[in-house]
Amino acid sequence: NAGVTQTPKFRVLKTGQSMTLLCAQDMNHEYMYWYRQDPGMGLRLIHYSVGEGTTAKGEVPDGYNVSRLKKQNFLLGLESAAPSQTSVYFCASRPSAATVYEQYFGPGTRLTVT
Amino acid sequence: DQQVKQNSPSLSVQEGRISILNCDYTNSMFDYFLWYKKYPAEGPTFLISISSIKDKNEDGRFTVFLNKSAKHLSLHIVPSQPGDSAVYFCAASGVTLTFGKGTMLLVSP
Repeated sequence: NAGVTQTPKFRVLKTGQSMTLLCAQDMNHEYMYWYRQDPGMGLRLIHYSVGEGTTAKGEVPDGYNVSRLKKQNFLLGLESAAPSQTSVYFCASRPSAATVYEQYFGPGTRLTVT
Repeated sequence: DQQVKQNSPSLSVQEGRISILNCDYTNSMFDYFLWYKKYPAEGPTFLISISSIKDKNEDGRFTVFLNKSAKHLSLHIVPSQPGDSAVYFCAASGVTLTFGKGTMLLVSP
């Protein structure tokens, strides 16, 4: 049981390049989330999904797109990377049960945009 | 407009003493609160939580207190250990979690 995994672990992009971050979970969780963490800013929600085929915007969605084609995977795309998107990105998942609030996090992807 | 606030960016404590981390929230609709611990280069890990129908929850060395009238919660770690040195995030529930900015705890031997 690997939990939540993220690919890649590190990436350096040039301004204007595109990339996709992959999140996978093997816990059969319905809900999945993408966050970014910046110094002094805590964890900010980018997008989330409450089930296969559904996505919703979080607090800081601009410049990002997401897709949830399979229940176990949640993809985060940057179409045209900007230096402001330099950050550490975390994926998380949780069951859909109303009494379960804990989210399980992946190890993170450190992205640098030059 | 921050809905969850951790006003202390850092806290230093000696090993064996109590660590108290504080968190304030503004949205009275929040009904469940969580604390996460994060080591460098790792993802956050769930530590302890509390429902709004309770005012205290204990798990070993960790206790979370909730004061609904003051919209305040705190995490107590007793006794503190050097391995507790990490960033601690407070979060409030909904379909999504709203996180505070974190408090870096340093426990010195």
